Amino acid sequence: QKEVEQDPGPLSVPEGAIVSLNCTYSNSAFQYFMWYRQYSRKGPELLMYTYSSGNKEDGRFTAQVDKSSKYISLFIRDSQPSDSATYLCAMYLGSGNTPLVFGKGTRLSVIA
Amino acid sequence: GAGVSQSPSNKVTEKGKDVELRCDPISGHTALYWYRQSLGQGLEFLIYFQGNSAPDKSGLPSDRFSAERTGGSVSTLTIQRTQQEDSAVYLCASSLYSRGSYNSPLHFGNGTRLTVT
Repeated sequence: QKEVEQDPGPLSVPEGAIVSLNCTYSNSAFQYFMWYRQYSRKGPELLMYTYSSGNKEDGRFTAQVDKSSKYISLFIRDSQPSDSATYLCAMYLGSGNTPLVFGKGTRLSVIA
Repeated sequence: GAGVSQSPSNKVTEKGKDVELRCDPISGHTALYWYRQSLGQGLEFLIYFQGNSAPDKSGLPSDRFSAERTGGSVSTLTIQRTQQEDSAVYLCASSLYSRGSYNSPLHFGNGTRLTVT
């Protein structure tokens, strides 16, 4: 079982839809969780950073962490064509000098 | 402010040649990372530099790959005797503090797209 699993998609939704992107992980020691957005031919850019279980909201984006289920989600409300990108989840262990572990990314297309 | 800068943005080379990829991190960031991104493979960790500590080279796929970071700032990733399977996007990132630190996420450059013919 891979450390972080993420459905690669592609996911295609109409403009205005609510989008749900998800990752599952196997190591319960992961403590810090991130979502990155990557446009074509660009580097990933940080969208959301969360530490504990629960929800964190930033504008149209909500990150949700459920440590008991080892499951994290990113919700995008009122999706726009400009949200079309690949979304990568990433996570760190809470201690120790270890690399950030990434999911493979989900490619999202929002159709106008 | 200025982000992470990588050069060249694209590089086409012949099999067997050596290539050097450059990364200029965000000023003041102590940590620097190299990742490789291949189609359908996600982000693969290569190497990590933190201050004056010995780098974590555990992700380098073979001894043809090496990297250095001079003066705690600019880094160069070198691939010797390139092979076709080295074709990928090589991404550099930096962070303010050491990896795993709270509130020290990675900031990425736009990458160097390497094609080995």
